[in-house]
Amino acid sequence: DAMVIQNPRYQVTQFGKPVTLSCSQTLNHNVMYWYQQKSSQAPKLLFHYYDKDFNNEADTPDNFQSRRPNTSFCFLDIRSPGLGDAAMYLCATTKGARQPQHFGDGTRLSIL
Amino acid sequence: GESVGLHLPTLSVQEGDNSIINCAYSNSASDYFIWYKQESGKGPQFIIDIRSNMDKRQGQRVTVLLNKTVKHLSLQIAATQPGDSAVYFCAEFLVGDYKLSFGAGTTVTVRA
Repeated sequence: DAMVIQNPRYQVTQFGKPVTLSCSQTLNHNVMYWYQQKSSQAPKLLFHYYDKDFNNEADTPDNFQSRRPNTSFCFLDIRSPGLGDAAMYLCATTKGARQPQHFGDGTRLSIL
Repeated sequence: GESVGLHLPTLSVQEGDNSIINCAYSNSASDYFIWYKQESGKGPQFIIDIRSNMDKRQGQRVTVLLNKTVKHLSLQIAATQPGDSAVYFCAEFLVGDYKLSFGAGTTVTVRA
Protein backbone atom coordinates (compact mmCIF):
# COMPACT_ATOMS: atom_id res chain seq x y z
CA ASP A 1 0.00 0.00 0.00
CA ALA A 2 1.28 3.43 -0.93
CA MET A 3 2.36 5.35 2.15
CA VAL A 4 3.31 8.63 0.48
CA ILE A 5 0.77 9.57 -2.15
CA GLN A 6 1.22 12.34 -4.64
CA ASN A 7 -1.52 13.78 -6.79
CA PRO A 8 -1.76 14.20 -9.63
CA ARG A 9 0.91 11.99 -11.21
CA TYR A 10 1.04 14.26 -14.25
CA GLN A 11 0.21 17.94 -14.30
CA VAL A 12 0.21 20.29 -17.25
CA THR A 13 -0.08 24.02 -16.71
CA GLN A 14 0.40 27.15 -18.74
CA PHE A 15 3.33 29.49 -18.41
CA GLY A 16 2.58 31.84 -15.51
CA LYS A 17 -0.55 30.02 -14.33
CA PRO A 18 -0.44 29.04 -10.64
CA VAL A 19 -0.38 25.33 -9.90
CA THR A 20 -0.64 23.29 -6.72
CA LEU A 21 0.76 19.82 -6.18
CA SER A 22 -0.35 17.71 -3.25
CA CYS A 23 1.17 15.07 -1.05
CA SER A 24 -0.39 12.94 1.66
CA GLN A 25 1.13 10.38 3.99
CA THR A 26 -0.25 7.58 6.12
CA LEU A 27 2.93 7.13 8.15
CA ASN A 28 2.24 9.88 10.70
CA HIS A 29 5.79 11.14 10.18
CA ASN A 30 6.86 14.46 11.64
CA VAL A 31 8.98 15.61 8.73
CA MET A 32 7.84 16.21 5.17
CA TYR A 33 10.00 17.32 2.26
CA TRP A 34 9.56 18.65 -1.25
CA TYR A 35 12.21 17.96 -3.86
CA GLN A 36 12.60 18.98 -7.49
CA GLN A 37 14.19 16.48 -9.83
CA LYS A 38 15.18 17.20 -13.41
CA SER A 39 16.17 14.60 -15.97
CA SER A 40 19.23 12.51 -15.05
CA GLN A 41 19.86 14.56 -11.92
CA ALA A 42 19.64 13.89 -8.21
CA PRO A 43 16.64 15.23 -6.29
CA LYS A 44 17.16 18.82 -5.12
CA LEU A 45 15.62 19.81 -1.81
CA LEU A 46 13.28 22.80 -1.98
CA PHE A 47 12.05 22.92 1.63
CA HIS A 48 10.93 20.77 4.51
CA TYR A 49 8.60 20.89 7.48
CA TYR A 50 9.34 19.57 10.92
CA ASP A 51 5.78 19.42 12.22
CA LYS A 52 4.60 22.95 11.44
CA ASP A 53 8.06 24.49 11.38
CA PHE A 54 8.90 25.47 7.81
CA ASN A 55 12.51 25.33 6.59
CA ASN A 56 13.31 26.86 3.23
CA GLU A 57 16.50 26.10 1.33
CA ALA A 58 18.53 29.22 0.60
CA ASP A 59 18.43 28.71 -3.16
CA THR A 60 14.74 27.86 -3.48
CA PRO A 61 13.08 30.51 -5.68
CA ASP A 62 10.42 32.73 -4.10
CA ASN A 63 8.06 31.40 -6.74
CA PHE A 64 7.81 28.17 -4.73
CA GLN A 65 5.70 28.11 -1.59
CA SER A 66 4.44 25.33 0.64
CA ARG A 67 1.64 24.67 3.09
CA ARG A 68 1.19 21.93 5.64
CA PRO A 69 -2.30 22.19 7.11
CA ASN A 70 -1.96 19.01 9.18
CA THR A 71 0.40 16.07 9.75
CA SER A 72 -0.90 14.12 6.78
CA PHE A 73 -0.94 16.69 4.01
CA CYS A 74 1.56 18.99 2.39
CA PHE A 75 1.15 21.19 -0.69
CA LEU A 76 3.59 22.74 -3.12
CA ASP A 77 2.39 25.95 -4.74
CA ILE A 78 4.16 27.37 -7.76
CA ARG A 79 2.88 30.91 -8.15
CA SER A 80 4.03 31.72 -11.66
CA PRO A 81 5.56 28.67 -13.33
CA GLY A 82 8.26 29.26 -15.87
CA LEU A 83 9.58 26.84 -18.47
CA GLY A 84 12.50 26.06 -16.19
CA ASP A 85 10.13 24.71 -13.55
CA ALA A 86 9.20 21.72 -15.68
CA ALA A 87 10.42 18.77 -13.63
CA MET A 88 9.44 15.85 -11.44
CA TYR A 89 8.39 17.00 -7.96
CA LEU A 90 8.91 14.49 -5.20
CA CYS A 91 7.45 14.45 -1.72
CA ALA A 92 9.12 12.50 1.06
CA THR A 93 8.58 11.90 4.75
CA THR A 94 10.66 10.72 7.67
CA LYS A 95 10.13 9.98 11.32
CA GLY A 96 13.14 12.03 12.35
CA ALA A 97 16.87 12.55 12.04
CA ARG A 98 18.95 9.58 10.86
CA GLN A 99 15.89 7.73 9.59
CA PRO A 100 15.16 6.75 5.99
CA GLN A 101 13.10 9.13 3.91
CA HIS A 102 10.11 7.55 2.20
CA PHE A 103 9.29 8.98 -1.20
CA GLY A 104 6.13 9.23 -3.23
CA ASP A 105 6.17 8.48 -6.93
CA GLY A 106 6.20 12.15 -7.80
CA THR A 107 4.23 14.56 -9.94
CA ARG A 108 5.64 15.28 -13.37
CA LEU A 109 4.96 18.92 -14.16
CA SER A 110 4.90 20.18 -17.74
CA ILE A 111 4.69 23.85 -18.68
CA LEU A 112 3.10 24.92 -21.96
CA GLY B 1 27.70 21.95 -3.64
CA GLU B 2 27.05 18.25 -3.26
CA SER B 3 29.14 16.45 -0.73
CA VAL B 4 28.25 12.98 -1.99
CA GLY B 5 29.06 11.70 -5.42
CA LEU B 6 29.23 8.50 -7.43
CA HIS B 7 32.30 7.48 -9.33
CA LEU B 8 30.61 6.34 -12.54
CA PRO B 9 27.47 7.71 -14.14
CA THR B 10 26.65 4.42 -15.89
CA LEU B 11 27.25 0.73 -15.27
CA SER B 12 26.41 -2.11 -17.65
CA VAL B 13 26.18 -5.57 -16.06
CA GLN B 14 25.53 -9.03 -17.42
CA GLU B 15 22.50 -10.70 -15.88
CA GLY B 16 23.60 -13.01 -13.10
CA ASP B 17 26.85 -11.15 -12.41
CA ASN B 18 27.49 -9.12 -9.29
CA SER B 19 27.30 -5.32 -9.47
CA ILE B 20 29.34 -2.86 -7.48
CA ILE B 21 28.29 0.77 -7.34
CA ASN B 22 30.65 3.23 -5.71
CA CYS B 23 30.16 6.51 -3.96
CA ALA B 24 32.60 8.98 -2.42
CA TYR B 25 31.56 11.47 0.21
CA SER B 26 33.49 14.47 1.41
CA ASN B 27 31.92 15.37 4.75
CA SER B 28 33.50 13.48 7.62
CA ALA B 29 30.68 14.70 9.88
CA SER B 30 28.17 12.51 8.03
CA ASP B 31 27.03 9.65 10.21
CA TYR B 32 24.23 7.95 8.34
CA PHE B 33 24.09 6.78 4.74
CA ILE B 34 21.34 5.43 2.51
CA TRP B 35 21.20 3.80 -0.90
CA TYR B 36 18.14 4.46 -3.03
CA LYS B 37 16.96 2.83 -6.25
CA GLN B 38 14.92 4.89 -8.68
CA GLU B 39 13.11 3.25 -11.57
CA SER B 40 11.84 5.26 -14.49
CA GLY B 41 8.76 7.30 -13.59
CA LYS B 42 8.91 6.41 -9.89
CA GLY B 43 10.21 7.95 -6.73
CA PRO B 44 13.42 6.80 -5.04
CA GLN B 45 12.97 3.55 -3.18
CA PHE B 46 14.93 2.77 -0.02
CA ILE B 47 17.31 -0.17 -0.47
CA ILE B 48 19.58 -0.26 2.56
CA ASP B 49 21.17 2.06 5.09
CA ILE B 50 24.24 2.07 7.28
CA ARG B 51 25.33 4.10 10.27
CA SER B 52 28.85 5.32 10.78
CA ASN B 53 29.52 2.92 13.65
CA MET B 54 29.34 0.03 11.16
CA ASP B 55 31.46 -0.88 8.16
CA LYS B 56 29.21 -3.47 6.53
CA ARG B 57 25.53 -4.24 6.39
CA GLN B 58 23.74 -6.93 4.43
CA GLY B 59 20.24 -7.15 3.09
CA GLN B 60 18.56 -9.42 0.63
CA ARG B 61 21.02 -9.67 -2.30
CA VAL B 62 22.55 -6.33 -1.35
CA THR B 63 25.50 -5.37 0.79
CA VAL B 64 26.64 -1.88 1.72
CA LEU B 65 30.25 -1.23 2.70
CA LEU B 66 31.42 1.91 4.45
CA ASN B 67 35.06 2.93 4.60
CA LYS B 68 35.28 6.02 6.79
CA THR B 69 39.04 6.30 6.40
CA VAL B 70 38.75 7.14 2.72
CA LYS B 71 35.12 8.34 2.88
CA HIS B 72 33.86 5.71 0.49
CA LEU B 73 30.55 3.90 0.29
CA SER B 74 29.67 1.03 -2.01
CA LEU B 75 26.61 -1.01 -2.86
CA GLN B 76 27.02 -4.58 -4.01
CA ILE B 77 24.17 -6.36 -5.72
CA ALA B 78 24.49 -10.12 -5.97
CA ALA B 79 23.24 -12.03 -9.03
CA THR B 80 21.99 -8.93 -10.81
CA GLN B 81 18.56 -9.30 -12.40
CA PRO B 82 16.79 -7.31 -15.13
CA GLY B 83 14.60 -5.75 -12.42
CA ASP B 84 17.72 -4.19 -10.94
CA SER B 85 18.00 -1.83 -13.91
CA ALA B 86 17.52 1.63 -12.44
CA VAL B 87 19.35 4.73 -11.24
CA TYR B 88 21.06 4.26 -7.89
CA PHE B 89 21.73 7.16 -5.55
CA CYS B 90 23.78 7.26 -2.40
CA ALA B 91 22.77 9.84 0.16
CA GLU B 92 24.11 11.03 3.47
CA PHE B 93 22.83 12.70 6.60
CA LEU B 94 24.88 15.13 8.56
CA VAL B 95 24.88 14.64 12.31
CA GLY B 96 21.67 16.00 13.81
CA ASP B 97 20.32 17.19 10.47
CA TYR B 98 17.04 16.27 8.81
CA LYS B 99 18.30 16.79 5.29
CA LEU B 100 19.70 14.25 2.88
CA SER B 101 22.52 15.12 0.54
CA PHE B 102 22.28 13.06 -2.65
CA GLY B 103 25.04 11.95 -4.94
CA ALA B 104 24.71 12.31 -8.70
CA GLY B 105 23.44 8.80 -9.39
CA THR B 106 24.61 5.75 -11.34
CA THR B 107 22.44 4.27 -14.07
CA VAL B 108 22.65 0.48 -14.00
CA THR B 109 21.68 -1.43 -17.11
CA VAL B 110 21.39 -5.20 -16.95
CA ARG B 111 22.18 -7.09 -20.17
CA ALA B 112 20.32 -10.33 -20.83
